[in-house]
Amino acid sequence: DAKTTQPPSMDCAEGRAANLPCNHSTISGNEYVYWYRQIHSQGPQYIIHGLKNNETNEMASLIITEDRKSSTLILPHATLRDTAVYYCIVRAPGGGADGLTFGKGTHLIIQP
Amino acid sequence: EAGVAQSPRYKIIEKRQSVAFWCNPISGHATLYWYQQILGQGPKLLIQFQNNGVVDDSQLPKDRFSAERLKGVDSTLKIQPAKLEDSAVYLCASSLPPSRGGYEHEQFFGPGTRLTVL
Repeated sequence: DAKTTQPPSMDCAEGRAANLPCNHSTISGNEYVYWYRQIHSQGPQYIIHGLKNNETNEMASLIITEDRKSSTLILPHATLRDTAVYYCIVRAPGGGADGLTFGKGTHLIIQP
Repeated sequence: EAGVAQSPRYKIIEKRQSVAFWCNPISGHATLYWYQQILGQGPKLLIQFQNNGVVDDSQLPKDRFSAERLKGVDSTLKIQPAKLEDSAVYLCASSLPPSRGGYEHEQFFGPGTRLTVL
């Protein structure tokens, strides 16, 4: 079962920042937070991941609370092409078996 | 860089028939995964390979599903016989193996094969 809770859907206006929340209150000390997204009729795409520090890359920023029980994915300037289902996943490194456990994710709809 | 290739993209069969899906991972990726995605749900891991060995097949319905990766590159997933509830998108993903420090590389997914069982 997924160890994360996300809202089922969200809307955001084009050009604005999209802030997607994720609760992971049972996260363990060595577990990372990963975000993937899935555009309609495509396979999931990796966005970003982090352990406890905030992270930023060319796609997004990841803000993790100090107690690590929740995080927020930020798309700074959302475009119509960002409409997708966004999945927040927690997983521990190493161990060999590292398949991703997806929940239902958040369906983000960017409005023109 | 070429992505993960899958074929066919679509397949329609009748229940009790057999079907096979093919996946070619990104060159150099030792780890290969098969996921099943039922409509409205997130993908569910079926099986993970490291080179040509199985790492995790705990969620693979072994009475009807089988998968192989004989030479550690391409992989096939087979369903025999298919049931109505097997209608789903079958996704293949690949990644570099974890580093010695335990860093988990991201997974790269193919476009999937949409299976409809009538």
